[in-house]
Amino acid sequence: GAGVSQSPSNKVTEKGKDVELRCDPISGHTALYWYRQSLGQGLEFLIYFQGNSAPDKSGLPSDRFSAERTGGSVSTLTIQRTQQEDSAVYLCASSFKGGGGKLFFGSGTQLSVL
Amino acid sequence: DAKTTQPNSMESNEEEPVHLPCNHSTISGTDYIHWYRQLPSQGPEYVIHGLTSNVNNRMASLAIAEDRKSSTLILHRATLRDAAVYYCILRDVAGTASKLTFGTGTRLQVTL
Repeated sequence: GAGVSQSPSNKVTEKGKDVELRCDPISGHTALYWYRQSLGQGLEFLIYFQGNSAPDKSGLPSDRFSAERTGGSVSTLTIQRTQQEDSAVYLCASSFKGGGGKLFFGSGTQLSVL
Repeated sequence: DAKTTQPNSMESNEEEPVHLPCNHSTISGTDYIHWYRQLPSQGPEYVIHGLTSNVNNRMASLAIAEDRKSSTLILHRATLRDAAVYYCILRDVAGTASKLTFGTGTRLQVTL
């Protein structure tokens, strides 16, 4: 694809349910980031994947959050037992390694927990 | 991580130049200066980046101080479509830095 693709674009769920958010990075990009943006706030770093290295999970807010990246490409962010405070836009970005690493962002998934 | 400091908001008249400042006094020699902007209801988009020399592209210009402790994003003629939040971040040369910190950015308002 031409850019970073995220799905679904919108997700409404009930408190306590699990959700999975998907990110398809640009082909060949070795780095992948997940961010969260609450209404009117800045971007909050969640997790970072770089090639085959162990991911940097230091931004995950609780153990209900997890992410994986299969085959160095597609990534899935999973939120278990969702809470109302998880409501936000979840943004994915990818980049090449090297050269200053210009980031390309997807349009995000708007998650609403009722 | 080296941090950046930006004003919370700025205003500009349409078709006037806009200078958006960013301070990064703890920048290291291997950090690129990147600028992104986020239009309403969209993900951030890349604007420009540089290392030491001033840079120009079709969207904007980037002026980097000689000591690299500050930079300025220049929009030569602001339009209503430039109204967005502008983020200044530092990115290491290898592009491998994790936990890129975006901060709260500068919200630019453009008026007629």
